Amino acid sequence: EAGVTQFPSHSVIEKGQTVTLRCDPISGHDNLYWYRRVMGKEIKFLLHFVKESKQDESGMPNNRFLAERTGGTYSTLKVQPAELEDSGVYFCATERGGTDTQYFGPGTRLTVL
Amino acid sequence: GENVEQHPSTLSVQEGDSAVIKCTYSDSASNYFPWYKQELGKRPQLIIDIRSNVGEKKDQRIAVTLNKTAKHFSLHITETQPEDSAVYFCAAEWGSNYKLTFGKGTLLTVNP
Repeated sequence: EAGVTQFPSHSVIEKGQTVTLRCDPISGHDNLYWYRRVMGKEIKFLLHFVKESKQDESGMPNNRFLAERTGGTYSTLKVQPAELEDSGVYFCATERGGTDTQYFGPGTRLTVL
Repeated sequence: GENVEQHPSTLSVQEGDSAVIKCTYSDSASNYFPWYKQELGKRPQLIIDIRSNVGEKKDQRIAVTLNKTAKHFSLHITETQPEDSAVYFCAAEWGSNYKLTFGKGTLLTVNP
């Protein structure tokens, strides 16, 4: 089975610009999570989807971040406008439901200059 | 919310030695504890996990122990090999949405 995929693998943007990250889950995985790791720190939870519904957005840093999962398949995470402190690696993880096991994507390394 | 502390932050061992990484958590309601291994430039990979109704789980050279009373769990790697070199993350699952709270990671280096 294909794993979780993320696009792009790297993104370098200027402060104030917009960036959209994409995550494609493993087929059949209804639960989708976004996490972020800022350099040297722990991986932190951002939000959780069940199918197309946001279940928990408590980790989203502020309203410059917008996540969507139209149709309950792939998800996007948009940062607008980007700030320096948004730099980090953004991971997507998916889980089939009822198993606890989350499978991670390779991450998108975002650098805001 | 949950808080997970992980120690040590770096660990260097000789090939063939054992390595132990320890984590503590704060929320007694947490009941699922996975360990992820992340090699340089790759995705975090689940290597072993344990649920709260079990005290120990083993998979070949890797084992995890859980002490619910003390709220700590540990990863044990025996007969370490250079390919075990990576960053290891512990995590605790909590809340109704099963989100994971991670430790800060341990950089394990196995010297040949």
